[in-house]
Amino acid sequence: AQTVTQSQPEMSVQEAETVTLSCTYDTSENNYYLFWYKQPPSRQMILVIRQEAYKQQNATENRFSVNFQKAAKSFSLKISDSQLGDTAMYFCAFMRANNAGNMLTFGGGTRLMVKP
Amino acid sequence: DSGVTQTPKHLITATGQRVTLRCSPRSGDLSVYWYQQSLDQGLQFLIHYYNGEERAKGNILERFSAQQFPDLHSELNLSSLELGDSALYFCASSKRSGGAGETQYFGPGTRLLVL
Repeated sequence: AQTVTQSQPEMSVQEAETVTLSCTYDTSENNYYLFWYKQPPSRQMILVIRQEAYKQQNATENRFSVNFQKAAKSFSLKISDSQLGDTAMYFCAFMRANNAGNMLTFGGGTRLMVKP
Repeated sequence: DSGVTQTPKHLITATGQRVTLRCSPRSGDLSVYWYQQSLDQGLQFLIHYYNGEERAKGNILERFSAQQFPDLHSELNLSSLELGDSALYFCASSKRSGGAGETQYFGPGTRLLVL
């Protein structure tokens, strides 16, 4: 079974600064997908970014980028130029790459507070 | 707005009762996934339906059941409710069966409180 670990329960950052959220996972699979979801106080789950394990290039989406280290089974999220609206819970998630039911396995989450 | 709708938004009920949560996927999506978010268990996968057929089960209790109808909406039935069933229940949808690592888009959730 796959496990996802987020070792930072809470983090804070000053507005306009950069912050990195950590995620590690354990799997014996070679092909898989990794995601970061954001859950603001509204509780809506919003996709931030995704990464295919077979791609060496790190995914980027505007101010959000990842550092994917496959050998180390690490998938961190970097938020640049932090904004107040980035305040939320962030969940790292793993998905196997097959047709046998593609459920997401989530980490425990990191609560990020962006301070003015 | 993800395009996934869930009703009701909030539900308060008593122990021992039965409730039904409803989910309508995004237009054109064939897969529906149910997840439970609770304080002690975190976010957990419950069950996946693709085009009306069950594809995978996670940590879903025997008291819980689900189905996906021909119009692709899905219902999650929770019976003999216990205090520990209080949680936020999410539905998510994706285009196909998810084999290509399809992104899942989440609904706003149904908050269930069992008293």
